[in-house]
Amino acid sequence: ILNVEQSPQSLHVQEGDSTNFTCSFPSSNFYALHWYRWETAKSPEALFVMTLNGDEKKKGRISATLNTKEGYSYLYIKGSQPEDSATYLCASGPPIYNQGGKLIFGQGTELSVKP
Amino acid sequence: NAGVTQTPKFQVLKTGQSMTLQCAQDMNHEYMSWYRQDPGMGLRLIHYSVGAGITDQGEVPNGYNVSRSTTEDFPLRLLSAAPSQTSVYFCASSYYVGTSGAGEQYFGPGTRLTVT
Repeated sequence: ILNVEQSPQSLHVQEGDSTNFTCSFPSSNFYALHWYRWETAKSPEALFVMTLNGDEKKKGRISATLNTKEGYSYLYIKGSQPEDSATYLCASGPPIYNQGGKLIFGQGTELSVKP
Repeated sequence: NAGVTQTPKFQVLKTGQSMTLQCAQDMNHEYMSWYRQDPGMGLRLIHYSVGAGITDQGEVPNGYNVSRSTTEDFPLRLLSAAPSQTSVYFCASSYYVGTSGAGEQYFGPGTRLTVT
């Protein structure tokens, strides 16, 4: 079983602060790296899927980078807003073609943004 | 498109009872998965399917069965409910994108199950 770990577990910031979280995974088993945003009482929604070393993706104020050689990904939020408060999950899958649906999730980073 | 739908939204069972959680998707996705979410444990994979007629076990398969007779449906069966199966269950689907395997997961709204 792949170990996917996230840090920190929780983060409290003020509105306007920029912040970042880390997702680490075994670099020898890299396949694809997913980031999801999960608001309370809702379902997780995809932010990014990254597959190539050096990938950088951006959606509004949120961006992510990927380093497959050292086994980590960073998620950045620029100028945090209260509506960014959510749990951010990363997930990675095995390098076997016909197991594309088998993602292993980290425990998440819970972000709270105070106005 | 409705996306991924799950029924029921809430369910209370007594120990030893059996039931089926329903999941359906209308996006013609090849891959479907079941997860359970427990406090402090994140999302854990129960079973998954890469296509009709093909299923496999995830991290925590014990006590659950699945089948996939059609692309659209992926029901999860609890054979004999136990209090340890009290959890929130999410169904998800995703699609083929070539050698990288799968696109992002689309999650259903979840089923909150309590076993007493």
